[in-house]
Amino acid sequence: NAGVMQNPRHLVRRRGQEARLRCSPMKGHSHVYWYRQLPEEGLKFMVYLQKENIIDESGMPKERFSAEFPKEGPSILRIQQVVRGDSAAYFCASSQDRNEKLFFGSGTQLSVL
Amino acid sequence: AQTVTQSQPEMSVQEAETVTLSCTYDTSESDYYLFWYKQPPSRQMILVIRQEAYKQQNATENRFSVNFQKAAKSFSLKISDSQLGDAAMYFCAYGDNFGNEKLTFGTGTRLTIIP
Repeated sequence: NAGVMQNPRHLVRRRGQEARLRCSPMKGHSHVYWYRQLPEEGLKFMVYLQKENIIDESGMPKERFSAEFPKEGPSILRIQQVVRGDSAAYFCASSQDRNEKLFFGSGTQLSVL
Repeated sequence: AQTVTQSQPEMSVQEAETVTLSCTYDTSESDYYLFWYKQPPSRQMILVIRQEAYKQQNATENRFSVNFQKAAKSFSLKISDSQLGDAAMYFCAYGDNFGNEKLTFGTGTRLTIIP
């Protein structure tokens, strides 16, 4: 059973470009969470999705950031018009249910030049 | 809002010895979850141990155990018989009773194992 798959592992963007981060949850998991880790800090919650629904996006910046988890395919975290402050590691996690064990991917390191 | 504090940015221990990592948290809830995650250089977050607040018994997983002091809001991790593979960042995290979606993480403790 493959774990949570995130790609790309590293992503370099210039200021003003768009970044798309992909996450395929573990098989059988319908709950997906995105977290962001700034250098030397712990992870910060961004958004929680179930298939086709955003359940909680209270940790997402109001502008430029969006997330989706379509019926088919991976969950996507999209950052438009990236700025240097968006440079961070973005982690996806999945679980079978809300209170079930959470499994993390290896993250996508976004670097904005 | 919940907060999680890890007051030891770095710790080191001799191989085969025991080390304890500290974590305190603040919450007004009575039911919640506490976690320790390990982040090796590969960057993947690996769950080490999970504790449910309503359970008085301290959780254990092989060489890893916790000392959960609910009244003191303390949740320390003890690693026995330390191994080179234990070298990593360790994060303490708090989760409310409703689920995983808003885990609050501490800033981490970098553990070095001395051969």
